[in-house]
Amino acid sequence: GAVVSQHPSWVICKSGTSVKIECRSLDFQATTMFWYRQFPKQSLMLMATSNEGSKATYEQGVEKDKFLINHASLTLSTLTVTSAHPEDSSFYICSARVETSGDEQFFGPGTRLTVL
Amino acid sequence: SQQGEEDPQALSIQEGENATMNCSYKTSINNLQWYRQNSGRGLVHLILIRSNEREKHSGRLRVTLDTSKKSSSLLITASRAADTASYFCATLRSYNTDKLIFGTGTRLQVFP
Repeated sequence: GAVVSQHPSWVICKSGTSVKIECRSLDFQATTMFWYRQFPKQSLMLMATSNEGSKATYEQGVEKDKFLINHASLTLSTLTVTSAHPEDSSFYICSARVETSGDEQFFGPGTRLTVL
Repeated sequence: SQQGEEDPQALSIQEGENATMNCSYKTSINNLQWYRQNSGRGLVHLILIRSNEREKHSGRLRVTLDTSKKSSSLLITASRAADTASYFCATLRSYNTDKLIFGTGTRLQVFP
């Protein structure tokens, strides 16, 4: 099946710094990628839809200036958490939709962000 | 919230027993998908059932869908310790085919 990778797998940073998380589709091209956030023992909440070559679409309540998304190529989307604070600590997961496989989404392994 | 509900929230069983998880959702859907997540890991796609299907099988998995009740169930037969994970249903809505809306999840523990 299609493989999606994320980097880094975990990151610890100081409050006020910015952190960039990469999401790559390794063996397919993805015009659409999705970014989710998951708190411990909770479900995934969609943050935004990342579209190659255009602006991301953010879900209600997600600050687009805080969570910058760039989808510069058909295989890479990045999420930058700007001026991170402890409440941003979470598990961030991306997914990519393979258009030739219908509606199935393939998920990355996730990135654990801890803000001190 | 548009998020679906799943029950039970947690389920503990012995190896060999069957595990049943239920999912309810709120809007009209195009399809419903089930995913598994091992602790601290990404999601693995298990099975997809379309709105015009009522039942689907894949190995030890059996999924049913009742669109009139806006509910689905996932049955894992002859469970194994390796099935221990969290299970999430996710719906693709009829009027927005891009977004997956996830349920609250069921944490399954299978004891050897």
